[in-house]
Amino acid sequence: SQTIHQWPATLVQPVGSPLSLECTVEGTSNPNLYWYRQAAGRGLQLLFYSVGIGQISSEVPQNLSASRPQDRQFILSSKKLLLSDSGFYLCAWIRDRAGEQYFGPGTRLTVT
Amino acid sequence: SQELEQSPQSLIVQEGKNLTINCTSSKTLYGLYWYKQKYGEGLIFLMMLQKGGEEKSHEKITAKLDEKKQQSSLHITASQPSHAGIYLCGADPDNYGQNFVFGPGTRLSVLP
Repeated sequence: SQTIHQWPATLVQPVGSPLSLECTVEGTSNPNLYWYRQAAGRGLQLLFYSVGIGQISSEVPQNLSASRPQDRQFILSSKKLLLSDSGFYLCAWIRDRAGEQYFGPGTRLTVT
Repeated sequence: SQELEQSPQSLIVQEGKNLTINCTSSKTLYGLYWYKQKYGEGLIFLMMLQKGGEEKSHEKITAKLDEKKQQSSLHITASQPSHAGIYLCGADPDNYGQNFVFGPGTRLSVLP
């Protein structure tokens, strides 16, 4: 069966500090991977998606970047965090074009 | 771009009562997804609907996609405290799995 991991589960970082969130998937190969953010009181927002190693598409211009160094690894980064980067970050993968999307447990980021 | 609206925004029901959550799309839905999120946790995939008139059930939760494929309803029968959480509908506007959009969510509380 497929499993998706995210870490850390929670993170408190000061403004201006760097960020690295990691997502890994088990039990599948060449998945489409996604990063979402849920800000307080808002719906989910798609940040990045990747269809393969080194392939990143950005949906929203922002202070964040993503990388896919390995087939089943997706990383969300920032060089300098802003207060507005606080939120709940979810990694997801989709089995195929018309399949279900599965989400990781999420990372709660608080920027102070 | 496709937008999803959900109603109601929040719902408080007594345990044992039935309830319905609606999701309305601004465009034709090629795939409509229902998720549940427990407060502060990741999303749990409930079900996906693709065909107009399609109806699916997951335990005491039933979802239906209307014939015109622009609205879906989620119905919970005999609600329980374990049903509490945020219910989100999601859509795949172009059926390529790369531009998911989500509704703002419906917050459900079930009173024992």
